[in-house]
Amino acid sequence: EIVMTQSPATLSVSPGERATLSCRASQTVSNNLAWYQQIPGQAPRLLIYASSTRAAGVPARFSGSGSGTEFTLTISSLQSEDFAIYYCQQYHHWPPYTFGQGTKLEIK
Amino acid sequence: QVQLQESGPGLVKPSETLSLTCAVSGYSITSGYHWGWIRQPPGKGLQWIGSISQSGTTDYTPSLESRVTISLDTSKNQFSLKLTSVTAADTAVYFCMRRVVRGVVEYWGQGILVTVSS
Repeated sequence: EIVMTQSPATLSVSPGERATLSCRASQTVSNNLAWYQQIPGQAPRLLIYASSTRAAGVPARFSGSGSGTEFTLTISSLQSEDFAIYYCQQYHHWPPYTFGQGTKLEIK
Repeated sequence: QVQLQESGPGLVKPSETLSLTCAVSGYSITSGYHWGWIRQPPGKGLQWIGSISQSGTTDYTPSLESRVTISLDTSKNQFSLKLTSVTAADTAVYFCMRRVVRGVVEYWGQGILVTVSS
């Protein structure tokens, strides 16, 4: 099973600043990596797939990069609605598809 | 607009079977894509359970495979999850979903909390 490790567990950033979230895979997943945003009490929302492709309706301030085992989600200028939990997910190796444990992005 | 809505009991006794249904609107489940379930224990991360194609082919996470069944009800445009022999470790919010490319989840239900307790 591929283990996805996200860092940091919690990230404190001020509105308007840049946030950088990391995700590492225990073995290569090529570019088969997705990012989801989850506001507590809600379902996750797809942000990025194929490492760097934004899903429909996702603002341009969200960008993804990386391949192999190292990936990054960057939010260029944080808005109030961006404070949430972010999960990465690999869908290169089945079974199973696996998620990271999440990074909580909180207001500084 | 594709919408998914979970339903089922919120409380299940240990050793019994958890049964949930996901009603789909805005798209026919026989037209394509894979439909499935993901769960999230309280305060924890996401765990893939499995999915089913529009033709009925299933795939399940190995750790749950012996206890899980996902099936389609095309007459009602819905699909279901059955998880047998539940324990407290199966307490979670269960999300139904539609996946697109391989494991990418494009649409999610709102989630339903299922507690396993006597």
